[in-house]
Amino acid sequence: SYVLTQPPSASVAPGQTARITCGGDNIGRKAVHWYQQKPGQAPVMVIYDDSDRPSGIPERFSGSNSGNTATLTISRVEAGDEADYYCQVWDSSSDHPVFGGGTKLTVL
Amino acid sequence: QVTLKESGPVLVKPTETLTLTCTVSGFSLSGARLGVSWIRQPPGKALEWLAHIFSNDEKSYSTSLKTRLTISKDTSKSQVVLTMTNMDPVDTATYYCARLRLGRLSLYYFDYWGQGTLVTVSS
Repeated sequence: SYVLTQPPSASVAPGQTARITCGGDNIGRKAVHWYQQKPGQAPVMVIYDDSDRPSGIPERFSGSNSGNTATLTISRVEAGDEADYYCQVWDSSSDHPVFGGGTKLTVL
Repeated sequence: QVTLKESGPVLVKPTETLTLTCTVSGFSLSGARLGVSWIRQPPGKALEWLAHIFSNDEKSYSTSLKTRLTISKDTSKSQVVLTMTNMDPVDTATYYCARLRLGRLSLYYFDYWGQGTLVTVSS
């Protein structure tokens, strides 16, 4: 089955840029989606189809996908961005969704 | 306004069967290019997809849990039901339902999630 690899943790100072990666075999050929989960809350989609933002998500959130790595970029990081972030793709071979293991973003 | 809400027991005993209901509003379970999934998250751990069902009643299950899961829907009631048999303490988790939407490359993503319901398995 398809495997997505995320770093367990990342940290960034307020106002700086955070980059969270999601690795997978030829992931650039798939559509990647990103979810933000704050403590005690349900996940919220922040990026879909590699780089599209749902309404209500700040422009500070952006995504890219190429080769074997997809990246979620958060510009001008705020304290409220501290959360777990999960990437997700659809594995066509099994017709199942696959989640990465999640990255805990700490705002210093 | 799209919403999903999970309901079911907060505590089940080992070997019992868990039945969870996801009640949706703001969209129809018969809508094209839409589906509903169940996803769980053990305390402090990552998201784990369990099952999904589409408007045409097509269903799919996690390979590791397939023998224990059944998903169904009642379009008239706007409900999706998941049953999981032979519950074990390792099944303690927050269970979410989420809407599946067709995106680029004819692949799906989860655009709306319920608030989740914590189910504890303990005698």
